Amino acid sequence: DQQVKQNSPSLSVQEGRISILNCDYTNSMFDYFLWYKKYPAEGPTFLISISSIKDKNEDGRFTVFLNKSAKHLSLHIVPSQPGDSAVYFCAATTEGGAQKLVFGQGTRLTINP
Amino acid sequence: DTGVSQDPRHKITKRGQNVTFRCDPISEHNRLYWYRQTLGQGPEFLTYFQNEAQLEKSRLLSDRFSAERPKGSFSTLEIQRTEQGDSAMYLCASSLARSSNEQFFGPGTRLTVL
Repeated sequence: DQQVKQNSPSLSVQEGRISILNCDYTNSMFDYFLWYKKYPAEGPTFLISISSIKDKNEDGRFTVFLNKSAKHLSLHIVPSQPGDSAVYFCAATTEGGAQKLVFGQGTRLTINP
Repeated sequence: DTGVSQDPRHKITKRGQNVTFRCDPISEHNRLYWYRQTLGQGPEFLTYFQNEAQLEKSRLLSDRFSAERPKGSFSTLEIQRTEQGDSAMYLCASSLARSSNEQFFGPGTRLTVL
């Protein structure tokens, strides 16, 4: 039962343009969402997060949007840079309890010069 | 470097052997998590400690797996009688027990069972 889904295994974007990565979830108990970035041979690195009480959170070039009614979130990267090429994971959790993360399958983003 | 460290980074073993991995979390973090990641998938939760207490285990964690966190500092994950299906990346993460859910991950231990 995949509670968090990233339906696009890969995405290719031109340098300087906007990258949009999407994520859907099914469990309405989730109330906190995170995006992680992963380079080969490294562990995931935290990028940005959003609580379910908000619908947008921005940090520099990264913005996360949350649509609770659709159980959908997206990560926008603008402008995209070659160093953004990596695998991006969406994760969901609850603010109480163990706060264990439930991850999507990941989207491989490639930024073309 | 004060991040999460894991040892070893790579482990190759024969089926039926026991293996043990170590994780050193960020020093002030009281929560420690183990995840497993297989090819093409996101990390999956295995177990979690708050200080030295193991508070939750996933049903993915068969009885061949055991984890400890003595004195609430480093943690070990042992797999007994390894099987080829245990081949995966084992990731450790740590965090502070507070409202922010950000977990900091180590580089992982890649296990290959032949």
